[in-house]
Amino acid sequence: KNQVEQSPQSLIILEGKNCTLQCNYTVSPFSNLRWYKQDTGRGPVSLTIMTFSENTKSNGRYTATLDADTKQSSLHITASQLSDSASYICVVSAGTGGFKTIFGAGTRLFVKA
Amino acid sequence: KAGVTQTPRYLIKTRGQQVTLSCSPISGHRSVSWYQQTPGQGLQFLFEYFSETQRNKGNFPGRFSGRQFSNSRSEMNVSTLELGDSALYLCASSQDRAMTDTEAFFGQGTRLTVV
Repeated sequence: KNQVEQSPQSLIILEGKNCTLQCNYTVSPFSNLRWYKQDTGRGPVSLTIMTFSENTKSNGRYTATLDADTKQSSLHITASQLSDSASYICVVSAGTGGFKTIFGAGTRLFVKA
Repeated sequence: KAGVTQTPRYLIKTRGQQVTLSCSPISGHRSVSWYQQTPGQGLQFLFEYFSETQRNKGNFPGRFSGRQFSNSRSEMNVSTLELGDSALYLCASSQDRAMTDTEAFFGQGTRLTVV
């Protein structure tokens, strides 16, 4: 069964600290993995997209890693800011032709001053 | 370059009614995909339209339908509304097929409340 599991469900950190969010998937055959940031009441915004051959990708203070062998990805946020408070959603796409996209439930991040 | 535009932003409907939501993709994008987001189920894929053809469909009942026009604008229709249809409906546009290796951009969503 195609699944995407994210952990932790929620996280509280102090401004300026780093944090790492996890995404494990069983989607097959793997095509790409995306991380999105979603502010409350707004549409998701893409942070990174990684294909099978990529194992790391950065976007400013956001760095995503991918281990296709263990089917795990992480999103590392450096020097957190109050504006990083949001939900972070891992999305995995599979297959060709009959394309499948599976969304994780997200990690809710709260950054406190 | 204008982003993805969804209208209306908020909508309140009564059970049994039908509703039509609209999505205007980024200029030049041919793919529009629709998603339902609820607190309990998270984001779920509804369907994708590419060059006016439905290319992919999620596991939703036939009450949910859509179409895409020649200018790539898309509409989603839900008939015989149920309380459980209350959700944030998001659309995303991309140049190529949805969620392939190309970037997908989401709109701000339409918040539908069924009473």
